[in-house]
Amino acid sequence: AQSVSQHNHHVILSEAASLELGCNYSYGGTVNLFWYVQYPGQHLQLLLKYFSGDPLVKGIKGFEAEFIKSKFSFNLRKPSVQWSDTAEYFCAVTITGGGNKLTFGTGTQLKVEL
Amino acid sequence: GAVVSQHPSWVICKSGTSVKIECRSLDFQATTMFWYRQFPKKSLMLMATSNEGSKATYEQGVEKDKFLINHASLTLSTLTVTSAHPEDSSFYICSARVSGNEQYFGPGTRLTVT
Repeated sequence: AQSVSQHNHHVILSEAASLELGCNYSYGGTVNLFWYVQYPGQHLQLLLKYFSGDPLVKGIKGFEAEFIKSKFSFNLRKPSVQWSDTAEYFCAVTITGGGNKLTFGTGTQLKVEL
Repeated sequence: GAVVSQHPSWVICKSGTSVKIECRSLDFQATTMFWYRQFPKKSLMLMATSNEGSKATYEQGVEKDKFLINHASLTLSTLTVTSAHPEDSSFYICSARVSGNEQYFGPGTRLTVT
């Protein structure tokens, strides 16, 4: 079965700092990759997704992620974070032929300080 | 964008009683919905896949007789926690598949069993 690991559980940054959140998955076949964000008190929202094509994908709010197949990684980046980016970030994966079932990582709590 | 609602947003019930949680797709039809459980400071765990007009598919380790899922229409799926116990206290989240591999999430329901 596939699994997703996020190595950073808590990250604290100052405004304007650059962000990179790690995500690795374990599965030998074709995957679809997602990053979701959960702002305090709100529901999960899709930040970006990768299905195929250009491994560098751009999402909403200035976020981007790069799929590196050889490293089984899909790290999330943002060049300059804002206080409003404080939230929990989840990496997730579905596998081709897996019935669209999402497997989530454990999440990374990001706190951006003014 | 696609909107998914859940009702109630929070519920407190006594041990031994049953509680029903509704998940609705407000502006689209969803043949497939998913139910997740989120433990404090942990990730979302898929409980079951709900398909309109057919029986739900439960993940390994999830008691289907305890967590009854009904997907009677293209816009409504319900999760009934039967004979609830304190260990069932959790945050339950549903999602609806929009197209392909994309899911939209509801805001979640906080269940507390006393």
